[in-house]
Amino acid sequence: GAVVSQHPSRVICKSGTSVKIECRSLDFQATTMFWYRQFPKKSLMLMATSNEGSKATYEQGVEKDKFLINHASLTLSTLTVTSAHPEDSSFYICSARRDSSYNEQFFGPGTRLTVL
Amino acid sequence: KNQVEQSPQSLIILEGKNCTLQCNYTVSPFSNLRWYKQDTGRGPVSLTIMTFSENTKSNGRYTATLDADTKQSSLHITASQLSDSASYICVVSATAGTALIFGKGTTLSVSS
Repeated sequence: GAVVSQHPSRVICKSGTSVKIECRSLDFQATTMFWYRQFPKKSLMLMATSNEGSKATYEQGVEKDKFLINHASLTLSTLTVTSAHPEDSSFYICSARRDSSYNEQFFGPGTRLTVL
Repeated sequence: KNQVEQSPQSLIILEGKNCTLQCNYTVSPFSNLRWYKQDTGRGPVSLTIMTFSENTKSNGRYTATLDADTKQSSLHITASQLSDSASYICVVSATAGTALIFGKGTTLSVSS
């Protein structure tokens, strides 16, 4: 299967700071990547769709100024949590879609964000 | 409303035993159905993906079935191992390229 990486895997930051999470597709080009958030024992919740070279599409209720997404290349999308607060603490997972008959999405290993 | 429901919510089995997880969906129009395994603190890993024309697909000890008429899918795990302990998520795509619709998952615990 295709490989998607995320960096960092864990991050702890102080309230009010910004945190950047990187998502890379290592062995295929992805015009579309997705960012999810997952709370303990809950299902993944789609936050936004990241499109290479254009603005991201955010799901209802997700603040675009809070969660900045940049998809600058076909292999890299970044999610920046701005002015992080403790309620932003969560598990963030990205996925990259590979163009095929299935348009399958491959998920990254996730980033655990803890805001103190 | 597009929904994916999984059962049971959780399951405990002994190592070496088989088990079957269920997934019912009301997604329309249907494009494909995927089963993912998610270990605690990790991202989901794809096990199988099937379109409406595929009735069964295997990946090692994992076998998924799909009945597009009744909108049901199952994931059968054979000869379970301790490493099978994880959350198994059924995910349906309404139309190729659109957002995925996630089930809440079944938490499987395999004990020795």
